[in-house]
Amino acid sequence: KQEVTQIPAALSVPEGENLVLNCSFTDSAIYNLQWFRQDPGKGLTSLLLIQSSQREQTSGRLNASLDKSSGRSTLYIAASQPGDSATYLCAVASSNTGKLIFGQGTTLQVKP
Amino acid sequence: DAGITQSPRHKVTETGTPVTLRCHQTENHRYMYWYRQDPGHGLRLIHYSYGVKDTDKGEVSDGYSVSRSKTEDFLLTLESATSSQTSVYFCAISESWEDYGYTFGSGTRLTVV
Repeated sequence: KQEVTQIPAALSVPEGENLVLNCSFTDSAIYNLQWFRQDPGKGLTSLLLIQSSQREQTSGRLNASLDKSSGRSTLYIAASQPGDSATYLCAVASSNTGKLIFGQGTTLQVKP
Repeated sequence: DAGITQSPRHKVTETGTPVTLRCHQTENHRYMYWYRQDPGHGLRLIHYSYGVKDTDKGEVSDGYSVSRSKTEDFLLTLESATSSQTSVYFCAISESWEDYGYTFGSGTRLTVV
């Protein structure tokens, strides 16, 4: 059974810092991995989608990497801002069914 | 969220009553999903649909049923609501999960008293 783990569960940093959020998964038979952002009381916003054949994806200050063989992905946020404060979720899509399995998220606070 | 609407946004209901949540999309996407989100458990798949009248169970399907009679609507029914079904429910859609991933709705907060 696929399990997805995100470390750390919570993170607090001063504004301007570069930071890394980690995601690991137990079954490397994935089709893709998606990073989401969730603001309190809101839905999920897709940030980046990485196909299993890709190594990384970039969008603005965000860069996500994928190492399928080791079961790891990282989300790198450059020059963090208070507006980046949110919960970040990673999810993997099973190769067989496409069902998304989520990690429990990392709650990020960026202090001004 | 563009193209996907959940209703109602909030609902309080009594134990034992049936409840139906609606997910409506304007994207004509093939795949639709229902998740629930709970502290300590994260997001878990309840049911999903891969086409009109084609549905299947997820990991936490007990006590829930779904129907999809039209491409645009995916209904989640709690047959007899229990307090353990108090949660935030999210609908997601995907045209091609392989290529484009998923888009989520804004959620329905359900409280069973």
